Amino acid sequence: EDQVTQSPEALRLQEGESSSLNCSYTVSGLRGLFWYRQDPGKGPEFLFTLYSAGEEKEKERLKATLTKKESFLHITAPKPEDSATYLCAAHGSARQLTFGSGTQLTVLP
Amino acid sequence: NAGVTQTPKFRILKIGQSMTLQCTQDMNHNYMYWYRQDPGMGLKLIYYSVGAGITDKGEVPNGYNVSRSTTEDFPLRLELAAPSQTSVYFCASSLQGDQPQHFGDGTRLSIL
Repeated sequence: EDQVTQSPEALRLQEGESSSLNCSYTVSGLRGLFWYRQDPGKGPEFLFTLYSAGEEKEKERLKATLTKKESFLHITAPKPEDSATYLCAAHGSARQLTFGSGTQLTVLP
Repeated sequence: NAGVTQTPKFRILKIGQSMTLQCTQDMNHNYMYWYRQDPGMGLKLIYYSVGAGITDKGEVPNGYNVSRSTTEDFPLRLELAAPSQTSVYFCASSLQGDQPQHFGDGTRLSIL
């Protein structure tokens, strides 16, 4: 059975304090690892797709990386507007996305 | 661009009532999905469709039904509402199965 585990469940940072969110996955035949951002009362918004170990993607203050067992979302010098829940999802041979339960990020001014 | 549109945004039902959650997309995507999201839990797949006329069960299909008569629309039907179906429901679509999914803003459903 495919499994995705995210840690920590919640993270509070000061503005400018860089950190990383972890996504551990157990998926047979990984076809893609997805990161989403979800704001309160909204649907998830797509950020990145990673397909193979060693791949990296960047967007503004966010960088996603992938190994054979984990993905990290690195947040550099975050701002309050980066506050959101970040979701990780793995697409395996079952041809369905398996989502983690998310990391709720709060960036304090 | 509208993307994925869900209606209604909020609904309160009594136990045993029925309702249909509407979802439409204007991106000409082949794949469409229904998820539920409960507090502290990841999104759970209810049903999905790979094209008009084709639907399949996800992880938690019991108590729900779907149909896909057009590429654009993918309604979710609750026949006999139960308190366990209180949740936030998200519809999503993607061009192909391994492509990023685009989500609507959800329907918040309470069963009392």
